[in-house]
This record gives sequence, C-alpha cells and structure tokens, in this order.
Amino acid sequence: GDQVEQSPSALSLHEGTGSALRCNFTTTMRAVQWFRKNSRGSLINLFYLASGTKENGRLKSAFDSKERYSTLHIRDAQLEDSGTYFCAAATGGYKVVFGSGTRLLVSP
Amino acid sequence: EAAVTQSPRNKVTVTGGNVTLSCRQTNSHNYMYWYRQDTGHGLRLIHYSYGAGNLQIGDVPDGYKATRTTQEDFFLLLELASPSQTSLYFCASSDAGLANTGQLYFGEGSKLTVL
Repeated sequence: GDQVEQSPSALSLHEGTGSALRCNFTTTMRAVQWFRKNSRGSLINLFYLASGTKENGRLKSAFDSKERYSTLHIRDAQLEDSGTYFCAAATGGYKVVFGSGTRLLVSP
Repeated sequence: EAAVTQSPRNKVTVTGGNVTLSCRQTNSHNYMYWYRQDTGHGLRLIHYSYGAGNLQIGDVPDGYKATRTTQEDFFLLLELASPSQTSLYFCASSDAGLANTGQLYFGEGSKLTVL
C-alpha cells in the first residue's frame, strides 16, 4: 500500500542551529501537510502544499510530487520548536497516510 | 481557523469498560475522521465519515464503533475497552479530502488509558 518514510526518527539540535526533516513517498502524492505535536499533545498545522515551497518564519517546506518527497526545514531552532513532527500525504479521495514522526529536541 | 473540539481530554477506564469520545467541528466541514496515535507511529485511521449518518471503515477499526449524528458531531465508541486501546485519539475534519486541497484540522486530542 501507499507508504511514507519519514526521517530522521529523532533529532537533537542546539538553539540557533537548523536541520531538515524529510518524507519520501512510495507513490505519487497530490498534497502533503506537516504538523507538530507540542508538549500538550496538540497537533499544530504547519503547512499544506500541493506543490512548490512555502515559508513561515523559521520554517520552510517543499513538496515535489514527481520526485516523491517533501521536506521541512527548520532554521535558528528555538526551545519551543521541540516536539514531534509528522508529515501526512494523500494520493486521492480521503485516504491519508502519515509518516511515523520525527522527535525533535532543541537544547540550550 | 477551523475549530475542532474533543472531549474528554483525558479518560481512564478499566478493561471491559464503555467509553465514548466526542468530537464537534463548527466549520461546516463535510468530512470527519478519528485517528489514534501511538509512540513511534504516525496517525492511524480508525473510522471516518463524509456526512451525517455516513460511516466509513478506516485502517484499524477493530474494537471501535463510530457514529456521525449531525454534520458537526462525530463520536467514537469503545464498548469493551481493552489495554491495547490505550492511546492518544485525534479527531479531524476537512472540507474535502487532503488530495483535493482539503486541509486536515485536528482537535486537541483525547488521552485514553485502559487499565
């Protein structure tokens, strides 16, 4: 079935540094959404993309349907960025597949 | 911003207990979903619905029932709860499927513990 491989599974950053999360898809996806689960357990909507790139503050996301991947870049990481990040993608209809998450810990 | 409200936020029950998780969305979205999220896993779809009275089976439906009583309200029912159902449950809604520009909007989650 449709699969999403999310990497890395865990990531540690020092404040002020940056990195990238990635989701690879086994099939062509039509849209992708990125979320962050915060310390309270809530899922925060970060980006929705049907193509191209979007940027919001220190976060930037890209989606390439043809190459079957999406990325989430974090720059100048802050302590409040800690949490678990998920990507979700859809091929069509209402079926959505989720990555297994990236646990990000930002330390001073 | 879409508003999706779940209740209760925390629930503890015993094996064999009866649990109902409630979800209400106030943005007239057609589609509503129940997911469970376990450590090390992404969200897994339990049931979903595309309108009042409609119910579709998701990927991990065993042990769960659901009912969509109105466009706003979607309930997840555990009639004989088991410890394997200890999880964090998320309700979501969307105007259309994710592939059709329908972003998912999530509630704040309901943590269920089955002893």
